[in-house]
Parts: sequence; structure tokens; C-alpha cells
Amino acid sequence: GAGVSQTPSNKVTEKGKYVELRCDPISGHTALYWYRQSLGQGPEFLIYFQGTGAADDSGLPNDRFFAVRPEGSVSTLKIQRTERGDSAVYLCASKLAGGVNEQFFGPGTRLTVL
Amino acid sequence: DQQVKQNSPSLSVQEGRISILNCDYTNSMFDYFLWYKKYPAEGPTFLISISSIKDKNEDGRFTVFLNKSAKHLSLHIVPSQPGDSAVYFCAASRISGGYNKLIFGAGTRLAVHP
Repeated sequence: GAGVSQTPSNKVTEKGKYVELRCDPISGHTALYWYRQSLGQGPEFLIYFQGTGAADDSGLPNDRFFAVRPEGSVSTLKIQRTERGDSAVYLCASKLAGGVNEQFFGPGTRLTVL
Repeated sequence: DQQVKQNSPSLSVQEGRISILNCDYTNSMFDYFLWYKKYPAEGPTFLISISSIKDKNEDGRFTVFLNKSAKHLSLHIVPSQPGDSAVYFCAASRISGGYNKLIFGAGTRLAVHP
């Protein structure tokens, strides 16, 4: 079956602009996560959805970051007034609900803020 | 404050020999640990996991060892193959607390040479 997909694969934007990053999880996976990976570091948790609701958004760095998952499937990460420090690879992962199932990651979106 | 640490940024091993990747954690509440492998321009791929009730889990050439008293885990790959060359991330989570987010280390780049 299809894995987690993310679009776009690359996004270059100018400081101050608004961007949207999209994630299509594996069909049937109710849990969805966003992570951010900066150069030389491991992925850093941003937000976790169980179904349509954000169960844990403690990793969002500030109020410029927002994510939605209106129908419990596709999720969009939105970044307002982008800053150069937002440049990173944004990873999405999904898993089956409950248990200790591993998270399956998408290929990521590389965001570059000029 | 890094809760998961991979102190070796890189490791070089000869093909056929054993690769040992190490990981330390500080939070004694972590109860589930995972190793992910990452190739360039791809998302992390799940490799192997271990629950805190075990001290060893084996899957083919990959074995993970957990030492709870030392808050240390290691991944053994034997025999190492050139295709194993990638960045390996250690991750920890608190399944029992209902937390599903993964806390990652910074990664270790493994190079397996002929």
C-alpha cells in the first residue's frame, strides 16, 4: 500500500511569507504527527493528532505555527510570517491508534526561507 | 535539555564486522524505544524497537539491547553490509502515560566500507 506522502517536496519562500505544507497519512492511520528536523539534529516533535483533534501541540514553537486535520485524514501545517530560522525539513508520520505501533514517516518537505 | 543523546556523530565499520550504535537517555519515564534508519532525501524508516520490560530484542541482523539501570541502549548490526550505510536515530517515548510523541537523538552516521 501507499506510504505517507508529503507535498511539496521542496518549498522556497521569502521571509515574512505564509506557507502551507501538506501530509497524506497511510489509509486507516488515525494518529498523525508533525516533526521538524534541522541540519545535524534529530526530528523534533511539533504536534500530534488523534483523529481530527490536536491531542498534543506542545511542540509548536510559537503562534506562527498552526496545523489542522479537518476530516481526520490529510493534515496541513501552516506557518505565518516565515522567518529564516524556520528553514528545516518538516516530517509527517502516521500510525495505527493505540498500542506501541511504530510511526511511519513521509519523505518530508524541505522548507527554505530566504 | 536533551533527553535522548547519541554521542557518536559518526561510525565507520568494515563490511562483515559488527556495528554498535549507542544511545543514552535521561528520562526514566520512557518505556518504549525505537531505532530508525534514514537515507538522504528520505524520511526515517523504522528498524527495530524494544519495550522497557525487555532487555533484548532481535530481528535478523539487528539486535537492540536495553540497560534500564544505566539508561542506555545500543543497536548491534552483524554482519554489517554496505547497504546499512545511513544515519541511525534512536528515539524514546512514554506509551504508558498516553504520550505517543517520539523524542529523537541527533543521529549517528554509519559508513560500512568494503
